[in-house]
Amino acid sequence: GQQLNQSPQSMFIQEGEDVSMNCTSSSIFNTWLWYKQEPGEGPVLLIALYKAGELTSNGRLTAQFGITRKDSFLNISASIPSDVGIYFCAGQLRGFENNDMRFGAGTRLTVKP
Amino acid sequence: GAVVSQHPSRVICKSGTSVKIECRSLDFQATTMFWYRQFPKQSLMLMATSNEGSKATYEQGVEKDKFLINHASLTLSTLTVTSAHPEDSSFYICSARVSIYYGYTFGSGTRLTVV
Repeated sequence: GQQLNQSPQSMFIQEGEDVSMNCTSSSIFNTWLWYKQEPGEGPVLLIALYKAGELTSNGRLTAQFGITRKDSFLNISASIPSDVGIYFCAGQLRGFENNDMRFGAGTRLTVKP
Repeated sequence: GAVVSQHPSRVICKSGTSVKIECRSLDFQATTMFWYRQFPKQSLMLMATSNEGSKATYEQGVEKDKFLINHASLTLSTLTVTSAHPEDSSFYICSARVSIYYGYTFGSGTRLTVV
C-alpha cells in the first residue's frame, strides 16, 4: 500500500544525544501515530496525534502533528541504550475505513553507550 | 487495555507442511484484523485484511491459496501458511483496530522458519 516518506532510514548516535526523525506524505491524514518495534517483537504505540499542530510528549519523546496535516516528527531527548529499535510513523486517512493506516519505512536507531 | 495476543511466537517447520498462526483480541472485539509480513531490516508489508464473518481481502501479489485467513469470531483471526517453503520464512505480525481514534494495536509477532 501507499507508504509514507520517513527519514532518516537509520541513525547511529551516542548515548545522551537527541534524536529527530520525521515523516511526510502527499496525502492529508487525520491521525498520526508513532510506533517503536524492538527486535523480535511487534510494534508498540508510543504517541498518537489527533489534531493539526498538536504537540504531545511521552517522557523523553515528543511528537508533533504538522499544520498541513501531511507531516509529523518525533524527537527523543537524551537517548539511552534501551531506545534502540525501529521507529515507524503511521498515518490514518479518514478514520472511518477499516484499512486506512499507512506506514513509513521505519527509522532504525542505534545508540552507542 | 487493547491487547492483541499472537501465538506462537516462534515456529520451525519442515518444508511442505502447514503452519497456523493465531491472533486474538483479548479485551475488545475486532471486526477487522490485519496481517503483515516483515523481512529483516524492512518495514511492515500488509498481506491481507481479515474480516469477521466474510472473506479476507488480500493485497496485490499475495497468494490467497498460500496464506489462508480465517476470522470466525470477533476476537480471533488465524493465518495458515500452507505447504510452507523456505522462502516463506519471515516475521508475521497481526494487528487490530481498537477504535477509529486509537489506532492499531499489534501482536508480538511470529517468527516462522521453514527448513
